[in-house]
Amino acid sequence: SQELEQSPQSLIVQEGKNLTINCTSSKTLYGLYWYKQKYGEGLIFLMMLQKGGEEKSHEKITAKLDEKKQQSSLHITASQPSHAGIYLCGADIEGGANSKLTFGKGITLSVRP
Amino acid sequence: NAGVTQTPKFQVLKTGQSMTLQCAQDMNHEYMSWYRQDPGMGLRLIHYSVGAGITDQGEVPNGYNVSRSTTEDFPLRLLSAAPSQTSVYFCASSYSWAGELFFGEGSRLTVL
Repeated sequence: SQELEQSPQSLIVQEGKNLTINCTSSKTLYGLYWYKQKYGEGLIFLMMLQKGGEEKSHEKITAKLDEKKQQSSLHITASQPSHAGIYLCGADIEGGANSKLTFGKGITLSVRP
Repeated sequence: NAGVTQTPKFQVLKTGQSMTLQCAQDMNHEYMSWYRQDPGMGLRLIHYSVGAGITDQGEVPNGYNVSRSTTEDFPLRLLSAAPSQTSVYFCASSYSWAGELFFGEGSRLTVL
């Protein structure tokens, strides 16, 4: 969906390097979800952010939601080949009951050994 | 737990044929949804359901029908397949509309 813009479209990094990818919306993000997908497989939930300024970490991955709740970043420290895949952000941009998740187009990450 | 189970994993259809993609979850989730994933397009919502007997359209509903007669099952029907429906389809469920989505492994459909 163009309501969620992910950048960059793709990224190639050397193993061990840090990287940051972004998810941006012109609307308020009532809930922001990061998923990872290996080629040909399903999506794996990484993290969920709901509050402005919120930051969560899991292993070497840190996700943040800005104070305005319109942008989220995902930072990977000391990247490894296992981090390669497609990273998708999904968000509730409507709020309220019965709303649904809208997804960005995804960012393809390659990690060179 | 099996989680979200989709069948079939692969299917080839001819234009005009009909078929049903099955989705079942064993987590007692109220919310279920179908997405399609196409290169450069990301995930797009086809239909969703907030509970048994309730369905609604998503972003790209044309050419697809759904029903939700039980909490566990949410089948997606293609009544007359078209080449534009060639895609990878994902079923997902969650405890609530604001909760983490659990995805199936996907169904790859090719329409010739």
